[in-house]
Amino acid sequence: AQSVTQPDIHITVSEGASLELRCNYSYGATPYLFWYVQSPGQGLQLLLKYFSGDTLVQGIKGFEAEFKRSQSSFNLRKPSVHWSDAAEYFCAVGPINSGYSTLTFGKGTMLLVSP
Amino acid sequence: DVKVTQSSRYLVKRTGEKVFLECVQDMDHENMFWYRQDPGLGLRLIYFSYDVKMKEKGDIPEGYSVSREKKERFSLILESASTNQTSMYLCASNPDREQETQYFGPGTRLLVL
Repeated sequence: AQSVTQPDIHITVSEGASLELRCNYSYGATPYLFWYVQSPGQGLQLLLKYFSGDTLVQGIKGFEAEFKRSQSSFNLRKPSVHWSDAAEYFCAVGPINSGYSTLTFGKGTMLLVSP
Repeated sequence: DVKVTQSSRYLVKRTGEKVFLECVQDMDHENMFWYRQDPGLGLRLIYFSYDVKMKEKGDIPEGYSVSREKKERFSLILESASTNQTSMYLCASNPDREQETQYFGPGTRLLVL
């Protein structure tokens, strides 16, 4: 069965500093990969997704993620964090060539931004 | 603009009550999903539907049922609410193309007393 691991439950970053959130997946083949963000009291919003091609994916709000097949990882990065980035971040995977487009989510990483 | 709405943001129910959570999407999407979100557990799929009157169990269907009588509406039903069903419930939808982005509603926070 596929699974997603986000090893960091909480991360605190100073405003203006760089950010990297880790995501590792377990799956028989390269899956579809997603990062979602959830601001307090809100639903989830897609940041970016990887299906194929260039392994460095650009998303909204200045985020990017890099797919590394050899490490089964899809880490999310941002060069300079803003206070408004404080939220919970979820990595998700979905199977290729599946009849249904269901996703498996990681348990999330809560990002705290300090002044 | 894409829109998924959920009938209530907050709901308080008593143990044993029958609870209906409603989700409506205005994007003509074929697929709709119900998740529950709990601290430290992330999102877990309860049920999903790929067409009107069609449904499939997700990872944690026990204690829940669903109804999809119209394409735009997907209901989650707690037949007899229990305290361990206190949670945040999120609805999502997407078109019937492989791994299209799922669009989420704002969530319903349910408290069962």
